Amino acid sequence: AQTVTQSQPEMSVQEAETVTLSCTYDTSESDYYLFWYKQPPSRQMILVIRQEAYKQQNATENRFSVNFQKAAKSFSLKISDSQLGDAAMYFCAYRSRIGGSEKLVFGKGTKLTVNP
Amino acid sequence: GAGVSQTPSNKVTEKGKYVELRCDPISGHTALYWYRQSLGQGPEFLIYFQGTGAADDSGLPNDRFFAVRPEGSVSTLKIQRTERGDSAVYLCASSLTVGDTQYFGPGTRLTVL
Repeated sequence: AQTVTQSQPEMSVQEAETVTLSCTYDTSESDYYLFWYKQPPSRQMILVIRQEAYKQQNATENRFSVNFQKAAKSFSLKISDSQLGDAAMYFCAYRSRIGGSEKLVFGKGTKLTVNP
Repeated sequence: GAGVSQTPSNKVTEKGKYVELRCDPISGHTALYWYRQSLGQGPEFLIYFQGTGAADDSGLPNDRFFAVRPEGSVSTLKIQRTERGDSAVYLCASSLTVGDTQYFGPGTRLTVL
């Protein structure tokens, strides 16, 4: 079974600085998706960024980018120019591309604090 | 239409009672998912529907949990004989079709006293 590990329960960053959140995963599959979701206190999970394992190029969405190291099974999230609104729980998630396996497998999350 | 909606936002019940949690997906989304998020944990998969049928219910913890989606839109998660360990946030998500990005609702916080 696939597992996702986020080794940093909490992180903090100064406003306008850059922070990197770590995620590692375990799988025997060669093709899959990886995601970062943000969960503010409102509880709603918001998709931040998505990476397809067969694509070597790292995904980027505005201030958010990933460092995808397939061989190392590592998928870190970099937030540049941090803003107060970035403060939230961040979850890394894995989804298989095998037909019928549509569930997301989540890590335990990292709580990000942004200091003014 | 609007995003995924879930009702109620919060539900407090007593041990042994029956509860129903409702999820209204994004209009036109054919796939619907239920997850459970315990305190301090990431969401855990419970069940997903493609249309009206449950395509994968492998995450349901036991037979006290049941979910339906009779018309392929709204879904109801039903929990019988609730236990204190069922206390959690129950999240619903939908996607345009199977394999697409899942969009989440705000969840229902269930507290079993």
